[in-house]
Amino acid sequence: QKEVEQDPGPLSVPEGAIVSLNCTYSNSAFQYFMWYRQYSRKGPELLMYTYSSGNKEDGRFTAQVDKSSKYISLFIRDSQPSDSATYLCAMSQSNYQLIWGAGTKLIIKP
Amino acid sequence: DAMVIQNPRYQVTQFGKPVTLSCSQTLNHNVMYWYQQKSSQAPKLLFHYYDKDFNNEADTPDNFQSRRPNTSFCFLDIRSPGLGDAAMYLCATSRFSGRAVNVLTFGAGSRLTVL
Repeated sequence: QKEVEQDPGPLSVPEGAIVSLNCTYSNSAFQYFMWYRQYSRKGPELLMYTYSSGNKEDGRFTAQVDKSSKYISLFIRDSQPSDSATYLCAMSQSNYQLIWGAGTKLIIKP
Repeated sequence: DAMVIQNPRYQVTQFGKPVTLSCSQTLNHNVMYWYQQKSSQAPKLLFHYYDKDFNNEADTPDNFQSRRPNTSFCFLDIRSPGLGDAAMYLCATSRFSGRAVNVLTFGAGSRLTVL
């Protein structure tokens, strides 16, 4: 069993839809949770991070952590074609070594 | 702009012909990482340098070597590339202090093709 599981997609939704991206994990010691966005032929860039449980909102993006279920989510409201990318979750126990999901490819159709 | 620069962006090599990929950073970060990323897979950490300390992942093949001649530059050497080494190679940096979240800044990647 992988430490971090993420559905590779692709996930295709119409413009304006609410998108939900998810990861599950097995290590209950993880405390740092991150979402990176990777455009085609580019390196990943940090989108959001949360520490421990709870929600964090930044514009159209909301990150949620449910430690009891070992489940994290990224919600995108009012999705735009420019949001089309691969979204990678990453998490860490020590704030040092990151464990990565395989990424979910998101396609927003105009 | 401060950034992480990888060269070359695209590298084509023949089976068994050595390859060197380079990474430079102007962020003055103390940690540098090399990741291998294959299609639809999680990035796989090959090595990282924490200041001057070199850290090799246990499952990184001996075929892969790395050098960090100074704090700004890092190289990935693949001594005898095989077909299975075709991938995107990502360099990343971070300023790890143990207090703030360890945020990685990635370069655009070097895509390696092995013929």
